[in-house]
Amino acid sequence: GAGVSQSPRYKVAKRGQDVALRCDPISGHVSLFWYQQALGQGPEFLTYFQNEAQLDKSGLPSDRFFAERPEGSVSTLKIQRTQQEDSAVYLCASSLSQASGILDEQYFGPGTRLTVT
Amino acid sequence: AQSVTQPDIHITVSEGASLELRCNYSYGATPYLFWYVQSPGQGLQLLLKYFSGDTLVQGIKGFEAEFKRSQSSFNLRKPSVHWSDAAEYFCAVGANQAGTALIFGKGTTLSVSS
Repeated sequence: GAGVSQSPRYKVAKRGQDVALRCDPISGHVSLFWYQQALGQGPEFLTYFQNEAQLDKSGLPSDRFFAERPEGSVSTLKIQRTQQEDSAVYLCASSLSQASGILDEQYFGPGTRLTVT
Repeated sequence: AQSVTQPDIHITVSEGASLELRCNYSYGATPYLFWYVQSPGQGLQLLLKYFSGDTLVQGIKGFEAEFKRSQSSFNLRKPSVHWSDAAEYFCAVGANQAGTALIFGKGTTLSVSS
């Protein structure tokens, strides 16, 4: 079946430009996560949604980063006034349900590689 | 502080040889532990996970891992490596709570020589 998809796969932005990264989670998945993976590093948490509610945004590095999931499915991560340090791969992950209350498997998309020049 | 340490940045193993990738964690609560593999241009794929019970867990592609609470370790093993196993491997830890973000190590790059 269809997995998590992300678009675009690659994005080059000039410093100061705004970018929008899209994530299409697996259909029916309640939880959605965004992670940032810098070169040579492991993924680091940015923000978490449960349906349309953004329950945790503690990992967003600055107020230039904004995420939304208005209808509880597709999510968009927006970065305003991009800086060179924003260059990274942005990963989206979804998981099925929080109904059980326990952690369940996160399925990752292929990521969007953002390069800020 | 919660953290995951993967001491080996890069490992080279001969095809057919055994493999062990190390992972140590620091976590205040009972940890849920994961190993993911990432091939170039691909997303992270879950190899195996440990939640509770038997401390030796089996995963996909012939991988296994052993949870050792006394050593705060969760090392990944494979008895015979194939060239297709060359990739980046990440150990991660999470809490037993829905919506918990995973904390990842920095990863170990595995190269396989013929």
